[in-house]
Parts: sequence; structure tokens; C-alpha cells
Amino acid sequence: RKEVEQDPGPFNVPEGATVAFNCTYSNSASQSFFWYRQDCRKEPKLLMSVYSSGNEDGRFTAQLNRASQYISLLIRDSKLSDSATYLCVVNAERQLTFGSGTQLTVLP
Amino acid sequence: ETGVTQTPRHLVMGMTNKKSLKCEQHLGHNAMYWYKQSAKKPLELMFVYNFKEQTENNSVPSRFSPECPNSSHLFLHLHTLQPEDSALYLCASSPQRGVPIEQYFGPGTRLTVT
Repeated sequence: RKEVEQDPGPFNVPEGATVAFNCTYSNSASQSFFWYRQDCRKEPKLLMSVYSSGNEDGRFTAQLNRASQYISLLIRDSKLSDSATYLCVVNAERQLTFGSGTQLTVLP
Repeated sequence: ETGVTQTPRHLVMGMTNKKSLKCEQHLGHNAMYWYKQSAKKPLELMFVYNFKEQTENNSVPSRFSPECPNSSHLFLHLHTLQPEDSALYLCASSPQRGVPIEQYFGPGTRLTVT
């Protein structure tokens, strides 16, 4: 079983749509959680941390369910510039473990 | 813009060559990392340095040899690589190893082994 599992997509959505990505992790001792964004042929960049109470940053909402070992990312009112690969990242045993990423394309 | 720089950005090398990848961070961080990213696969952690000391080697073949002369610089020395080593090699840094805070990545070196 993969340590961090994501649906690879691709997700092709029209501008203005709402899209949600899910991620599951296997290590119940995981302590902190992040969503990174990686544009084509570029490095990963932190999008947002994920807190137990859930958190929102503009059009982006992240949720964590520790009991189910599940993380989600919701993007509202999608923009063309949101097209990228979204990486679910889990910190366990002092090490970041990355998912393979979910590819999103926002269409005009 | 980025506080982590990597050179070269692209590298093509034969299996008998020796080359080195360089990473420099300008963020005052104490931990530095090498990752390998192959197509359609998650990032694989290769090496970790904390305060210039290597703290992890994730079963990386000896044809990859890291060097960390100080907290700001990290090298990855390559020799007798295989075609399956072709990948994007990413350097990252963070304030300290083990602190649950994000890592900052360099732009990567895209390596092709012929």
C-alpha cells in the first residue's frame, strides 16, 4: 500500500467550476499535512498547510480527518492559472512523504 | 525569486561520465535535502543533511554521492549512472530537520543519462 495515495486524474474542469481532491495516508503517527502545487517542469511550492480544524485560504479549503486518515482540498471558482499538479504531503517520523499528485487542467 | 538555486538546470551525461549537481540556499536554513522525481512517481527522498551532518540515506546506490560543505551548499556527485537514473533532481531546504514546517525547493536539475 502506498504511504500517501492520490487519484492521479487528470481532472479537466471548466473555468469557474468547483473541484475537490482527496488523499489518504497510511501512517497513523503522521503529524502534519500540506498541499503543494507543482507546475509543469517546475519545482513544488507550498500551497497551504492542513490543520485539524480545517482551514481556508481564499478560494482554497483544506480538510483533515485523522480518524479516516484522509485529507482533502477544495478549489472554488477555478481559474486557468490553477492548472497544475497538486501534491498531498504528509510529515511522519520527521520526514515528508509525497503523493504522486493529482493533475488539474482548467479549461476556458 | 527562489531562495534555493540549483545548477545546472539541464544535464545530459553518458554512463561513464562523472558530473556534479550543485544546490545553494540563501534562506539561512540548517537542513538540506536531495529528492529524485521520476515521471508519474512521487518524489523520493534521497539524502538529508542537518547542520552539515548527513542524517539519512534512503538506500541510495553508491553511484550517487552527496557532499555538504556548509549549511548553505549541497552537492550531488554522479558517476557511472544508469539510464533509469534519468529524472528531475530537486534540492530543498528547511529551517531544521524534523520540524513540521514546509520545505523550500530549488528549480531542479533535469538529468538525462544516455
